Amino acid sequence: QKEVEQNSGPLSVPEGAIASLNCTYSDRVSQSFFWYRQYSGKSPELIMSIYSNGDKEDGRFTAQLNKASQYVSLLIRDSQPSDSATYLCAVNNAYGQNFVFGPGTRLSVLP
Amino acid sequence: GAVVSQHPSWVICKSGTSVKIECRSLDFQATTMFWYRQFPKQSLMLMATSNEGSKATYEQGVEKDKFLINHASLTLSTLTVTSAHPEDSSFYICSAPLGTGGWGGYTFGSGTRLTVV
Repeated sequence: QKEVEQNSGPLSVPEGAIASLNCTYSDRVSQSFFWYRQYSGKSPELIMSIYSNGDKEDGRFTAQLNKASQYVSLLIRDSQPSDSATYLCAVNNAYGQNFVFGPGTRLSVLP
Repeated sequence: GAVVSQHPSWVICKSGTSVKIECRSLDFQATTMFWYRQFPKQSLMLMATSNEGSKATYEQGVEKDKFLINHASLTLSTLTVTSAHPEDSSFYICSAPLGTGGWGGYTFGSGTRLTVV
């Protein structure tokens, strides 16, 4: 089983809709969780971090974490064509010794 | 915020030559730097981990004699692709952990697109 799994997509949503991106992880001692956005030909940029169970909101982005289910998600409200990118989930264990990226989900927001 | 400056952003070189890529942490000290390679439409692949003042740790399948990593100071790590060949053409990205053990995530350099002709 891969350590961090994501659907590769592409996930297509119409402009203005909610995009929902999902990620599961296998290491139960994972403590910190991150979402990165990567535009084609560019390096990843950090958009959200979450450390506790529940929701964390930042503008149009909401990260959701459920440690019991080993699941973390990212919701993008009012999706815009500029949100079209690959979204990478990353997980870090409590000791900072194992920072693992998922394969990424490609999101396409259609005008 | 913590910034990693990576240079060059793109480079074209002839087959058989060597290319050096630099990553500098501008406003923080990076005792560790990670080097990734990414082929088109593929995931990030961790190549190696450099630690200031010690030898780099390479991932399985990465030739340490071909990809030379030097981390001579707390703010500079370099990757040298030696005797480059067309199959080494790729997007190379460095990143540094934020906070102890990367608790705050990783910050990435802007990447270097290497084309070997």
